[in-house]
Amino acid sequence: DAGVIQSPRHEVTEMGQEVTLRCKPISGHNSLFWYRQTMMRGLELLIYFNNNVPIDDSGMPEDRFSAKMPNASFSTLKIQPSEPRDSAVYFCASSLGGAGDTQYFGPGTRLTVL
Amino acid sequence: AQKITQTQPGMFVQEKEAVTLDCTYDTSDQSYGLFWYKQPSSGEMIFLIYQGSYDEQNATEGRYSLNFQKARKSANLVISASQLGDSAMYFCAMRIRLDTNAGKSTFGDGTTLTVKP
Repeated sequence: DAGVIQSPRHEVTEMGQEVTLRCKPISGHNSLFWYRQTMMRGLELLIYFNNNVPIDDSGMPEDRFSAKMPNASFSTLKIQPSEPRDSAVYFCASSLGGAGDTQYFGPGTRLTVL
Repeated sequence: AQKITQTQPGMFVQEKEAVTLDCTYDTSDQSYGLFWYKQPSSGEMIFLIYQGSYDEQNATEGRYSLNFQKARKSANLVISASQLGDSAMYFCAMRIRLDTNAGKSTFGDGTTLTVKP
């Protein structure tokens, strides 16, 4: 079975540019999560969706960040405009949902904003 | 608010020996789950083991076991017969309100485990 798929795996961009990260969750999973990992702040939950609906976006840093899940098999995380402090590894994870669900992580996207 | 504490930034263990990675948690919710993930140097996050707050027995998965002490709010990971490939960062995580689909997840800061040959 295919795991969580993220693209691109690496992204280097210049400050001010728009960045779009993509995620395809595991088929049949009802919940999708976006995380950011940095040395300074560790692993932070940015937003999560259940049945394509955003449940909690309180972890989204600021208005420059937005996330969408137009259908059960695709989600995007967009940063516009990007800043150097956005440099991090961004993980997408999915889970079946409900009690005791385990989150399965994608390989991550390493974002570098120059 | 819920919190996960991993007090050991780094741990060393000799190959083939057992090692315990500590995790304590804080939540007022009665329904929650505790998870351990492994992150090797390649960067991916790998699920290892899960323990539910209502589970009476400690979870085990191969060489991994979870020492769950509910009264002390601890969920330590025990790795038996350590292998060189176990060298990685290990994260403890908690998800609350498991009886709904709105549960939040919280991760600890991680413990770096180094297995010596």
